[in-house]
Amino acid sequence: GQSLEQPSEVTAVEGAIVQINCTYQTSGFYGLSWYQQHDGGAPTFLSYNALDGLEETGRFSSFLSRSDSYGYLLLQELQMKDSASYFCAGGEGNKLTFGTGTQLKVEL
Amino acid sequence: DAGVIQSPRHEVTEMGQEVTLRCKPISGHNSLFWYRQTMMRGLELLIYFNNNVPIDDSGMPEDRFSAKMPNASFSTLKIQPSEPRDSAVYFCASSFTNNEQFFGPGTRLTVL
Repeated sequence: GQSLEQPSEVTAVEGAIVQINCTYQTSGFYGLSWYQQHDGGAPTFLSYNALDGLEETGRFSSFLSRSDSYGYLLLQELQMKDSASYFCAGGEGNKLTFGTGTQLKVEL
Repeated sequence: DAGVIQSPRHEVTEMGQEVTLRCKPISGHNSLFWYRQTMMRGLELLIYFNNNVPIDDSGMPEDRFSAKMPNASFSTLKIQPSEPRDSAVYFCASSFTNNEQFFGPGTRLTVL
Protein backbone atom coordinates (compact mmCIF):
# COMPACT_ATOMS: atom_id res chain seq x y z
CA GLY A 1 0.00 0.00 0.00
CA GLN A 2 0.84 3.64 -0.16
CA SER A 3 0.94 6.25 2.59
CA LEU A 4 2.14 9.84 2.30
CA GLU A 5 2.20 12.12 5.32
CA GLN A 6 2.33 15.91 5.37
CA PRO A 7 1.90 18.60 8.03
CA SER A 8 -1.72 19.69 8.10
CA GLU A 9 -1.08 23.42 8.15
CA VAL A 10 1.75 25.89 7.61
CA THR A 11 1.61 29.66 8.04
CA ALA A 12 4.12 32.13 6.63
CA VAL A 13 4.35 35.81 5.76
CA GLU A 14 4.39 37.34 2.31
CA GLY A 15 7.86 37.39 0.79
CA ALA A 16 9.15 34.59 2.99
CA ILE A 17 10.31 31.06 2.10
CA VAL A 18 8.36 28.02 3.25
CA GLN A 19 9.07 24.31 3.04
CA ILE A 20 6.33 21.67 2.99
CA ASN A 21 7.55 18.19 3.86
CA CYS A 22 6.28 14.82 2.69
CA THR A 23 7.27 11.43 4.04
CA TYR A 24 6.08 8.31 2.34
CA GLN A 25 5.78 4.57 2.69
CA THR A 26 5.08 2.84 -0.57
CA SER A 27 5.35 -0.69 -1.86
CA GLY A 28 6.31 0.63 -5.28
CA PHE A 29 7.48 4.08 -6.13
CA TYR A 30 8.18 5.77 -9.43
CA GLY A 31 8.58 9.36 -8.26
CA LEU A 32 7.05 12.18 -6.24
CA SER A 33 4.65 14.78 -7.61
CA TRP A 34 3.29 17.98 -6.09
CA TYR A 35 -0.12 19.51 -6.71
CA GLN A 36 -1.67 22.80 -5.64
CA GLN A 37 -5.37 23.20 -4.89
CA HIS A 38 -7.11 26.48 -4.12
CA ASP A 39 -10.35 26.43 -2.14
CA GLY A 40 -13.18 25.31 -4.38
CA GLY A 41 -10.79 24.52 -7.22
CA ALA A 42 -9.19 21.49 -8.78
CA PRO A 43 -5.70 20.17 -8.09
CA THR A 44 -3.11 21.52 -10.52
CA PHE A 45 0.28 19.99 -11.20
CA LEU A 46 3.36 21.78 -9.89
CA SER A 47 6.34 19.47 -10.20
CA TYR A 48 7.62 15.91 -10.45
CA ASN A 49 10.81 14.32 -9.12
CA ALA A 50 11.76 11.04 -10.73
CA LEU A 51 15.32 11.14 -9.39
CA ASP A 52 16.90 12.23 -6.14
CA GLY A 53 17.75 15.88 -5.94
CA LEU A 54 16.27 19.29 -6.48
CA GLU A 55 14.01 20.37 -9.34
CA GLU A 56 13.44 24.10 -9.76
CA THR A 57 10.52 25.74 -11.53
CA GLY A 58 10.41 29.47 -11.00
CA ARG A 59 9.60 30.30 -7.38
CA PHE A 60 8.86 26.65 -6.62
CA SER A 61 11.40 23.88 -6.07
CA SER A 62 10.89 20.25 -5.17
CA PHE A 63 13.31 17.81 -3.59
CA LEU A 64 13.36 14.03 -3.34
CA SER A 65 15.48 11.61 -1.32
CA ARG A 66 14.54 8.01 -2.04
CA SER A 67 16.89 6.64 0.61
CA ASP A 68 15.04 8.68 3.24
CA SER A 69 11.56 8.23 1.68
CA TYR A 70 11.25 11.97 1.95
CA GLY A 71 10.58 14.96 -0.20
CA TYR A 72 9.67 18.60 0.13
CA LEU A 73 8.23 21.49 -1.78
CA LEU A 74 9.97 24.83 -1.36
CA LEU A 75 8.10 28.03 -2.12
CA GLN A 76 10.12 31.25 -2.34
CA GLU A 77 9.04 34.89 -2.39
CA LEU A 78 5.64 33.92 -1.06
CA GLN A 79 2.64 35.76 -2.44
CA MET A 80 -0.89 35.94 -1.11
CA LYS A 81 -2.08 33.91 -4.09
CA ASP A 82 0.06 31.00 -2.86
CA SER A 83 -2.46 30.44 -0.06
CA ALA A 84 -3.81 27.02 -0.99
CA SER A 85 -3.55 23.34 -0.14
CA TYR A 86 -0.51 21.44 -1.37
CA PHE A 87 -0.45 17.69 -1.93
CA CYS A 88 2.42 15.36 -2.54
CA ALA A 89 1.57 12.28 -4.56
CA GLY A 90 3.41 9.12 -5.40
CA GLY A 91 2.94 5.62 -6.58
CA GLU A 92 3.46 3.17 -9.36
CA GLY A 93 3.20 4.69 -12.79
CA ASN A 94 -0.22 6.16 -13.36
CA LYS A 95 -1.66 5.04 -10.04
CA LEU A 96 -1.11 7.97 -7.70
CA THR A 97 -1.78 8.06 -3.99
CA PHE A 98 -2.16 11.59 -2.67
CA GLY A 99 -0.81 12.77 0.64
CA THR A 100 -2.89 14.15 3.45
CA GLY A 101 -2.40 17.71 2.18
CA THR A 102 -0.92 20.84 3.74
CA GLN A 103 -2.92 24.04 3.97
CA LEU A 104 -0.60 27.01 3.46
CA LYS A 105 -1.72 30.36 4.79
CA VAL A 106 0.21 33.39 3.61
CA GLU A 107 -0.18 36.46 5.80
CA LEU A 108 0.75 40.09 5.24
CA ASP B 1 -7.61 23.18 -25.44
CA ALA B 2 -10.69 23.33 -23.23
CA GLY B 3 -9.16 21.09 -20.57
CA VAL B 4 -10.96 18.25 -18.85
CA ILE B 5 -14.71 18.82 -18.90
CA GLN B 6 -17.02 17.45 -16.22
CA SER B 7 -20.77 17.60 -15.89
CA PRO B 8 -22.77 18.39 -13.97
CA ARG B 9 -20.80 20.80 -11.79
CA HIS B 10 -23.25 20.39 -8.93
CA GLU B 11 -25.68 17.60 -8.23
CA VAL B 12 -28.18 17.36 -5.39
CA THR B 13 -30.16 14.17 -5.16
CA GLU B 14 -32.06 12.07 -2.67
CA MET B 15 -30.87 8.85 -1.14
CA GLY B 16 -31.62 5.89 -3.33
CA GLN B 17 -31.50 7.77 -6.60
CA GLU B 18 -29.10 6.96 -9.43
CA VAL B 19 -26.37 9.50 -10.11
CA THR B 20 -24.31 9.70 -13.30
CA LEU B 21 -21.24 11.87 -13.54
CA ARG B 22 -19.67 12.62 -16.89
CA CYS B 23 -16.18 13.41 -18.06
CA LYS B 24 -14.54 14.41 -21.32
CA PRO B 25 -10.74 14.09 -21.13
CA ILE B 26 -8.25 16.24 -22.98
CA SER B 27 -7.94 15.13 -26.59
CA GLY B 28 -4.90 12.92 -27.10
CA HIS B 29 -4.61 11.84 -23.49
CA ASN B 30 -4.63 8.06 -23.08
CA SER B 31 -5.26 7.74 -19.35
CA LEU B 32 -8.33 8.78 -17.40
CA PHE B 33 -8.82 8.83 -13.65
CA TRP B 34 -11.78 9.23 -11.31
CA TYR B 35 -11.07 10.63 -7.83
CA ARG B 36 -13.23 11.42 -4.84
CA GLN B 37 -12.36 14.14 -2.32
CA THR B 38 -13.79 14.52 1.17
CA MET B 39 -12.54 16.26 4.29
CA MET B 40 -12.32 12.97 6.13
CA ARG B 41 -10.62 10.81 3.52
CA GLY B 42 -8.80 13.34 1.36
CA LEU B 43 -8.27 12.73 -2.34
CA GLU B 44 -8.79 9.08 -3.25
CA LEU B 45 -8.31 7.34 -6.57
CA LEU B 46 -11.42 5.34 -7.45
CA ILE B 47 -10.53 3.88 -10.83
CA TYR B 48 -8.34 4.57 -13.81
CA PHE B 49 -8.42 3.66 -17.47
CA ASN B 50 -5.62 3.32 -19.97
CA ASN B 51 -6.61 3.42 -23.65
CA ASN B 52 -10.27 3.09 -22.59
CA VAL B 53 -9.59 -0.11 -20.63
CA PRO B 54 -10.11 -0.19 -16.84
CA ILE B 55 -6.74 -0.96 -15.29
CA ASP B 56 -7.32 -0.63 -11.57
CA ASP B 57 -10.68 -0.31 -9.83
CA SER B 58 -9.48 -1.27 -6.36
CA GLY B 59 -10.48 2.15 -5.07
CA MET B 60 -14.14 1.78 -6.00
CA PRO B 61 -15.81 1.67 -2.60
CA GLU B 62 -18.70 -0.66 -3.30
CA ASP B 63 -20.66 -2.42 -6.01
CA ARG B 64 -22.94 0.60 -6.05
CA PHE B 65 -20.18 2.39 -7.96
CA SER B 66 -19.42 1.64 -11.59
CA ALA B 67 -17.43 3.40 -14.29
CA LYS B 68 -17.27 3.08 -18.04
CA MET B 69 -15.21 4.53 -20.84
CA PRO B 70 -16.93 3.63 -24.12
CA ASN B 71 -14.49 5.70 -26.19
CA ALA B 72 -11.42 7.89 -25.87
CA SER B 73 -13.43 11.07 -25.37
CA PHE B 74 -16.02 10.11 -22.78
CA SER B 75 -16.32 8.42 -19.41
CA THR B 76 -19.05 8.04 -16.80
CA LEU B 77 -19.09 7.28 -13.10
CA LYS B 78 -22.39 5.94 -11.86
CA ILE B 79 -23.65 5.50 -8.32
CA GLN B 80 -26.74 3.37 -7.91
CA PRO B 81 -28.32 3.62 -5.40
CA SER B 82 -26.76 6.74 -3.90
CA GLU B 83 -26.32 7.21 -0.14
CA PRO B 84 -25.61 10.31 1.97
CA ARG B 85 -22.06 9.11 2.65
CA ASP B 86 -21.36 9.39 -1.10
CA SER B 87 -21.53 13.17 -0.78
CA ALA B 88 -18.17 14.48 -1.97
CA VAL B 89 -16.43 16.27 -4.82
CA TYR B 90 -15.70 13.89 -7.67
CA PHE B 91 -12.82 14.78 -9.97
CA CYS B 92 -11.97 13.38 -13.34
CA ALA B 93 -8.38 13.73 -14.56
CA SER B 94 -6.54 12.76 -17.71
CA SER B 95 -2.91 12.38 -18.65
CA PHE B 96 -0.57 11.47 -21.47
CA THR B 97 2.50 10.74 -19.36
CA ASN B 98 3.02 9.27 -15.92
CA ASN B 99 4.19 12.61 -14.61
CA GLU B 100 1.31 15.05 -14.86
CA GLN B 101 -2.41 14.66 -14.47
CA PHE B 102 -4.84 17.36 -15.58
CA PHE B 103 -7.91 17.64 -13.38
CA GLY B 104 -11.37 18.74 -14.36
CA PRO B 105 -13.32 21.28 -12.27
CA GLY B 106 -15.07 18.53 -10.33
CA THR B 107 -18.68 17.61 -9.58
CA ARG B 108 -19.93 18.49 -6.13
CA LEU B 109 -22.40 15.76 -5.18
CA THR B 110 -24.81 16.11 -2.29
CA VAL B 111 -26.99 13.13 -1.40
CA LEU B 112 -29.81 14.02 1.00
